[in-house]
Amino acid sequence: DADVTQTPRNRITKTGKRIMLECSQTKGHDRMYWYRQDPGLGLRLIYYSFDVKDINKGEISDGYSVSRQAQAKFSLSLESAIPNQTALYFCATSDWTGGMGANVLTFGAGSRLTVL
Amino acid sequence: AQKITQTQPGMFVQEKEAVTLDCTYDTSDPSYGLFWYKQPSSGEMIFLIYQGSYDQQNATEGRYSLNFQKARKSANLVISASQLGDSAMYFCAMREGLGGNNRLAFGKGNQVVVIP
Repeated sequence: DADVTQTPRNRITKTGKRIMLECSQTKGHDRMYWYRQDPGLGLRLIYYSFDVKDINKGEISDGYSVSRQAQAKFSLSLESAIPNQTALYFCATSDWTGGMGANVLTFGAGSRLTVL
Repeated sequence: AQKITQTQPGMFVQEKEAVTLDCTYDTSDPSYGLFWYKQPSSGEMIFLIYQGSYDQQNATEGRYSLNFQKARKSANLVISASQLGDSAMYFCAMREGLGGNNRLAFGKGNQVVVIP
């Protein structure tokens, strides 16, 4: 099984619908992240969480909300989806050992969302 | 302002040849980390290599090396002996500071196609 699992992998929805993307991890990492990828724009950070009680906005949080249900689970919600939220969404996790260690982000396989 | 700049157009490289992917970054923090990720057509994000700002030597991982030129704020990825499986998008990313948030800022990516 994958270390970071995202569901659904693909979703088509209509404008105005509520959508939840779910992420679960088995790496035991405290830190979890949601990124969005658009063609030609790279990845942009939506929200991140250091532990269950810690939620932080990233650079493009408008129109999104998150919930950290447990150390292993971090879900992203679009309360009222709009077409420009059509994108590939990635969940990622990382450990933190301090200092200048790599503390590499491990990504899920991505959730492709299309809003019509 | 953009933190990570990747401006090369799509690149074609002959199998077994080396390819260099350019990345420049912008930060005033003396402590930072630089990452390269690979995204094949299947969509997953694969970590390739890491360079810390205080590392004296250029990072290497198998066929991947990072040409780190600190004064020029440059962190180019070199792939030696290209293989067909190297065809992918490649993203440069930066983490700033020692604060532990481990947020990565990504560039827009470089497309590489390896031809036989």
